[in-house]
Amino acid sequence: DVKVTQSSRYLVKRTGEKVFLECVQDMDHENMFWYRQDPGLGLRLIYFSYDVKMKEKGDIPEGYSVSREKKERFSLILESASTNQTSMYLCASTTLGAGGIYGYTFGSGTRLTVV
Amino acid sequence: GQQLNQSPQSMFIQEGEDVSMNCTSSSIFNTWLWYKQDPGEGPVLLIALYKAGELTSNGRLTAQFGITRKDSFLNISASIPSDVGIYFCAGSSQGGSEKLVFGKGTKLTVNP
Repeated sequence: DVKVTQSSRYLVKRTGEKVFLECVQDMDHENMFWYRQDPGLGLRLIYFSYDVKMKEKGDIPEGYSVSREKKERFSLILESASTNQTSMYLCASTTLGAGGIYGYTFGSGTRLTVV
Repeated sequence: GQQLNQSPQSMFIQEGEDVSMNCTSSSIFNTWLWYKQDPGEGPVLLIALYKAGELTSNGRLTAQFGITRKDSFLNISASIPSDVGIYFCAGSSQGGSEKLVFGKGTKLTVNP
């Protein structure tokens, strides 16, 4: 089975901290995505990546950056955490050209609380 | 960004009842997908649809790809408590497109 692993299920961070959310997939997928999920707003795309060292902004990239140094790992970085970044963060992956056909495989999510 | 219109936003039903939810789009889609998200977990793919008019089942779940290619429906028959969660539709306008468009989800609560 394809596995997408997010390193933390729950995180509590202080305002202003730099926060790293890690995501690893074990199926050699080219495409990886970061979403945030908030009640009533659904899934909103933050950043995605088609290849190592490649990144593209999604719909809500402000306040976030990403890093993809290795194919299997896609990191989401909150440069200076703020309370409005309290949310559920979901990582997903899919193989090249297949996202619109077979869908994405999601991780279990990281619930981040910024205090 | 583009989003699908998914309804209803939430449903409260009794165990044993049937459930129906749908998604609509202003543009034509080539693929429709339905996901379920259990509380505290990530979404998991339930059903994928690739052809207009297609009707596909997965156990008690049945989904249909609308004839106009602008909508899709998911039905759950004889609901049970473990059906609780959030159901998302997703679509792609291009077969090989990398990015899916998601609905906002239908939150289902099943009372025993």
